Amino acid sequence: EAGVAQSPRYKIIEKRQSVAFWCNPISGHATLYWYQQILGQGPKLLIQFQNNGVVDDSQLPKDRFSAERLKGVDSTLKIQPAKLEDSAVYLCASSLFIGGAVKQQFFGPGTRLTVL
Amino acid sequence: DQQVKQNSPSLSVQEGRISILNCDYTNSMFDYFLWYKKYPAEGPTFLISISSIKDKNEDGRFTVFLNKSAKHLSLHIVPSQPGDSAVYFCAAGGGTGTASKLTFGTGTRLQVTL
Repeated sequence: EAGVAQSPRYKIIEKRQSVAFWCNPISGHATLYWYQQILGQGPKLLIQFQNNGVVDDSQLPKDRFSAERLKGVDSTLKIQPAKLEDSAVYLCASSLFIGGAVKQQFFGPGTRLTVL
Repeated sequence: DQQVKQNSPSLSVQEGRISILNCDYTNSMFDYFLWYKKYPAEGPTFLISISSIKDKNEDGRFTVFLNKSAKHLSLHIVPSQPGDSAVYFCAAGGGTGTASKLTFGTGTRLQVTL
């Protein structure tokens, strides 16, 4: 079974530029998550999708971050304009309901963003 | 406000000995807990989980203990192996009894020495 795919793996941009990340979840996983992991910290949830609807985006800085999940499969996360403090690893995860419960989230390898 | 805390940023253990990683939480609504392992340049991978209705869950060399009254959980690895060297994250699920909404700790870097 293929895992969660993310691209690009690395991205370097200058502040005020825009950037987009792509995620393809595990086939059949209805729930998709985007996390931000700053160096030395744990992953922090930015947004959670159930199929193509947003379940939770309470920690997404909506003035500069946006995300979409067209057709309930792939997802893109965009930052526009980027700030220095956005330098982090952006992780995508997906999960499956088994017996009405989510047992674990499966993570992709992440995209390391450096903002100069 | 750090709701899930891993107070030891790093831990060094000899091969064959027991590794004990600790995690504390403050939110009483957390009812499902997981441990993830992360190697450099990879995403976190699931290790083991425990529901708040249990106080222990075991899977091979890995055992997780939950002390709800103390809001504390620990991961025991016995025996420790060099391949266990990684960063370990504790995560807590918020109120759904599942891993749907996770809050992560800051991680503990485990180094298993020969």
